[in-house]
Amino acid sequence: NAGVTQTPKFQVLKTGQSMTLQCAQDMNHNSMYWYRQDPGMGLRLIYYSASEGTTDKGEVPNGYNVSRLNKREFSLRLESAAPSQTSVYFCASSGTFFDTDTQYFGPGTRLTVL
Amino acid sequence: GESVGLHLPTLSVQEGDNSIINCAYSNSASDYFIWYKQESGKGPQFIIDIRSNMDKRQGQRVTVLLNKTVKHLSLQIAATQPGDSAVYFCAENIGGGADGLTFGKGTHLIIQP
Repeated sequence: NAGVTQTPKFQVLKTGQSMTLQCAQDMNHNSMYWYRQDPGMGLRLIYYSASEGTTDKGEVPNGYNVSRLNKREFSLRLESAAPSQTSVYFCASSGTFFDTDTQYFGPGTRLTVL
Repeated sequence: GESVGLHLPTLSVQEGDNSIINCAYSNSASDYFIWYKQESGKGPQFIIDIRSNMDKRQGQRVTVLLNKTVKHLSLQIAATQPGDSAVYFCAENIGGGADGLTFGKGTHLIIQP
């Protein structure tokens, strides 16, 4: 049982390049989330998926798109990376969205945009 | 604006002492609170949670206190150990609302030998 896994662990992009961050969970959770964490800051929600087949915007969605590929996988895409998107990205999952269940986090992807 | 915040960015304690980390929230509709521990280079790790119908909850060496009157949350760590050194975040969820968790900025707990 690996919990929440994320790939890649590190990535460096040039401005304008695109990439997809992958996330998978093996806890049979319904809900999945993408957060970003900037230095000295708490986490801010980018997008979430309350259940398979649904996605919604969080606090800071601009510049990102997401895909809930199946119950296990939730990807985050940067279509045209900008330096302001340099951050650490965390994926999380929780059991049932409306039960405010505990969210479990992956190890993060450190992204630098030059 | 951010509805969850922490009073101190850094807290330094002696090994073996008790630590108290505080958090203030402003949304009275918040009904679920979580404390996370984040070690350097890792993702947040769940420590303990509490729902708004409780005012205290205990775990192993940790206690969370919730004062809804003044919208204050605290995390107490007993007999602090070197492995407790990390950044601690409080987070709130508003009634199963659609926007995930709202996090505070975090308190860096430093353990002095």
